[in-house]
Amino acid sequence: SQQGEEDPQALSIQEGENATMNCSYKTSINNLQWYRQNSGRGLVHLILIRSNEREKHSGRLRVTLDTSKKSSSLLITASRAADTASYFCATDDPGGGADGLTFGKGTHLIIQP
Amino acid sequence: EAGVAQSPRYKIIEKRQSVAFWCNPISGHATLYWYQQILGQGPKLLIQFQNNGVVDDSQLPKDRFSAERLKGVDSTLKIQPAKLEDSAVYLCASSHRLAGGLETQYFGPGTRLLVL
Repeated sequence: SQQGEEDPQALSIQEGENATMNCSYKTSINNLQWYRQNSGRGLVHLILIRSNEREKHSGRLRVTLDTSKKSSSLLITASRAADTASYFCATDDPGGGADGLTFGKGTHLIIQP
Repeated sequence: EAGVAQSPRYKIIEKRQSVAFWCNPISGHATLYWYQQILGQGPKLLIQFQNNGVVDDSQLPKDRFSAERLKGVDSTLKIQPAKLEDSAVYLCASSHRLAGGLETQYFGPGTRLLVL
């Protein structure tokens, strides 16, 4: 079953605008990660935020985590055409030794030039 | 540093046929994962190896799917016999992660399978 659920499913904005995507999850986590997937390509790791962190920055990316609401957001500032891709949040299972990620269905982001 | 390699990149087969996918992880990565990504969905974990041992295969349809990592490096994922619903992208990922700890997973480009 899907652990993370991204919102919105699709987002289209103009180049230069900011894009915000949200992710909700159901069970406790050790960390939450965001990945990007360009059409027909593999996933690229963007950023990881641990359960005891509330906010993290990496370049034009800003991630927040609210464990009380079991939600996270990914903000991309000053968007570029190259940011067009699908964005997935992924969570781990804090129990046991297995750490395969559970992904949401993703947000498809389109940046209009 | 070379990334995760997968082959073939594309495969078209008829239902009930067999197919195998190959993955070469990043050198030195102890942990290897196979994910299945159906169109429009996020990846779903099929199996996780740590070195040559299986850590988690709870979501692997064992009646038709099998995977091995005999020498703790390369891995193969096999489907026999294939069904229409197996059409998906099969992603391989690897990480440094050992028991406990936290490491980023690095994904290969995937193998796109179409079952007709």
